[in-house]
Amino acid sequence: TQLLEQSPQFLSIQEGENLTVYCNSSSVFSSLQWYRQEPGEGPVLLVTVVTGGEVKKLKRLTFQFGDARKDSSLHITAAQPGDTGLYLCAGAGYGGSQGNLIFGKGTKLSVKP
Amino acid sequence: GAGVSQSPRYKVTKRGQDVALRCDPISGHVSLYWYRQALGQGPEFLTYFNYEAQQDKSGLPNDRFSAERPEGSISTLTIQRTEQRDSAMYRCASSLEETGIEAFFGQGTRLTVV
Repeated sequence: TQLLEQSPQFLSIQEGENLTVYCNSSSVFSSLQWYRQEPGEGPVLLVTVVTGGEVKKLKRLTFQFGDARKDSSLHITAAQPGDTGLYLCAGAGYGGSQGNLIFGKGTKLSVKP
Repeated sequence: GAGVSQSPRYKVTKRGQDVALRCDPISGHVSLYWYRQALGQGPEFLTYFNYEAQQDKSGLPNDRFSAERPEGSISTLTIQRTEQRDSAMYRCASSLEETGIEAFFGQGTRLTVV
C-alpha cells in the first residue's frame, strides 16, 4: 500500500514568514500533485510535478519533486493570510495504479496578520 | 459542464436506509474518482473509473458500498443499509486523462446518518 506522510500536520505562522511543507513516501510515484483546500470547498490543484528533481515556481510558492520520485516539498516565501488553508499532496502510481491518486493527510496552515 | 457537480450537497438519512450520491464530471473527462474525506484530513480513495470501466475499487470499505458509471459520464455511489460510521463528506473528482494527473474536485455531498 502506498502511503504519503505529510509534515507538519499543523503550522501557525506570522505574515511575512517563510515555511516548508514536506511530503514523504517509501513508494515511487509517476507524478505528484499539490492541492490547496479551503473550508467547505473541494481541493484545488496547485501544481503537478512529473520529473525527478523537478522544481516548479508559482509566484511565492516553490515545489520540488525528489530525485527518487518518493518525496516532495512545498516552500512558501513571505506567507500572507490568504495562504491559509489545508495543503494536500497526492501521488499517482504506475501502470494500473495511475488513477489511484493517494492523498496525504494534509498540512493545516494558518497565517496570522 | 463547467465543473464537477455533485448532488445532493447535503443528505440526512436514517440508519438502515440506502442512499445514492451522484457525480456529474467535467464534460469529456475520461477518469472519475470517488473519495471520502473527514474534516481537516486528506481525501481517502474509494474507487475510480476510466470511461465506464471500474478500474480499482480497493478503497470501498465493505460490500455495502458500490459505484457505477454505465455510460462513461455520470457516476453514482450507492451505500446500502447505511450506518452512522458512514457519515462523512463524499467527494467526486474527474480528470481529462487516464493517468490521474490534474484531478478537479466537486464540492462534495455531506452525508449524515442518524
